[in-house]
Amino acid sequence: AQSVTQLDSHVSVSEGTPVLLRCNYSSSYSPSLFWYVQHPNKGLQLLLKYTSAATLVKGINGFEAEFKKSETSFHLTKPSAHMSDAAEYFCVVSVRGFKTIFGAGTRLFVKA
Amino acid sequence: DVKVTQSSRYLVKRTGEKVFLECVQDMDHENMFWYRQDPGLGLRLIYFSYDVKMKEKGDIPEGYSVSREKKERFSLILESASTNQTSMYLCASRLRGRLNYGYTFGSGTRLTVV
Repeated sequence: AQSVTQLDSHVSVSEGTPVLLRCNYSSSYSPSLFWYVQHPNKGLQLLLKYTSAATLVKGINGFEAEFKKSETSFHLTKPSAHMSDAAEYFCVVSVRGFKTIFGAGTRLFVKA
Repeated sequence: DVKVTQSSRYLVKRTGEKVFLECVQDMDHENMFWYRQDPGLGLRLIYFSYDVKMKEKGDIPEGYSVSREKKERFSLILESASTNQTSMYLCASRLRGRLNYGYTFGSGTRLTVV
């Protein structure tokens, strides 16, 4: 079975400081892992994805994530937060033949 | 720019009404999905479709049905709307066999049932 846990429901950072959103997953098979972002009253937009190629994945808007198999983690980072990064972020795991699992989401607040 | 378009951003309907939520994609994707999103409950899969005229129940199909008569269009139907169906509804599509591509989502329809 697959599962995904986003370790923080809320994260608050100051503008210009680093962002870390944590995600742990569980999967019996090689997973594809994704991060999506959702701005208020909008749909989800794909930020980045891991699909068994490079373990460090770069996405849009300066975000990146590192797949760590030994730690079963796929944390999302950004060196310097911007006000426009305030949104909800979802970690997602997909395995062929199984249902896609969405994390519960992490709401990112960015203070001026 | 590839797109998933949901026909309404906001809808207000009365209890007992039959409600249609429409979703159209222009990417020639075989797979289409309907999710609802509620605070504290995350995204829950209502129905999905592998291809035209095919449909599969998701985790919470009760009170809903779907229609996929054309490849580009996937409709969600609330047979008799109830207040507990007030929610954000998200449509998504994906190329068949391409899990590693991820989903493309529409902008969502926020439905209020009064």
